[in-house]
Amino acid sequence: GQQLNQSPQSMFIQEGEDVSMNCTSSSIFNTWLWYKQDPGEGPVLLIALYKAGELTSNGRLTAQFGITRKDSFLNISASIPSDVGIYFCAGRRKNNAGNMLTFGGGTRLMVKP
Amino acid sequence: EPEVTQTPSHQVTQMGQEVILRCVPISNHLYFYWYRQILGQKVEFLVSFYNNEISEKSEIFDDQFSVERPDGSNFTLKIRSTKLEDSAMYFCASSPNNEQFFGPGTRLTVL
Repeated sequence: GQQLNQSPQSMFIQEGEDVSMNCTSSSIFNTWLWYKQDPGEGPVLLIALYKAGELTSNGRLTAQFGITRKDSFLNISASIPSDVGIYFCAGRRKNNAGNMLTFGGGTRLMVKP
Repeated sequence: EPEVTQTPSHQVTQMGQEVILRCVPISNHLYFYWYRQILGQKVEFLVSFYNNEISEKSEIFDDQFSVERPDGSNFTLKIRSTKLEDSAMYFCASSPNNEQFFGPGTRLTVL
């Protein structure tokens, strides 16, 4: 089946540092989405990407849709304690009749004040 | 801001029992989904629903699972005979198009 490889699995950083995480796949995806999940809650949509090469920002977050359509990255600038959580990439393939999302394994972010 | 809601937040059941998990999608959305997340693992797709029928399902979504939209607002997931390995967080999601919005989840514990 489709696999999204997300890295790193976890990061422990100092408040104020920038963070970068990425997802790669052997398959082409038509849409990339980035979600954040807090403990015991559902994933919250952060950024959606629809075109190869697209670079989109949402506050301190920036994400890019890779040119090959097989990868995406998410950057967080000037991290703050409330950035703590698990970040998931998710991809949708073009011919998914049902809009199924495939999720990466997640990046657990820990921020030291 | 409209949100997806789910009930109950936590369901404990005995192995072999039937459970129904309930969701109220965002009102003007057309696509509905169920996903599950086993503790500490990634989110996995179960099923998508559009125009009152299943549009896609994963291999996890076997004959023990069914979905229904019994009225204009609710979207339910039924597990007929629960197994221990069904213990997980179950998330409902809805979307107007490509962007899927998730509910807070139901934690299902099968004993």
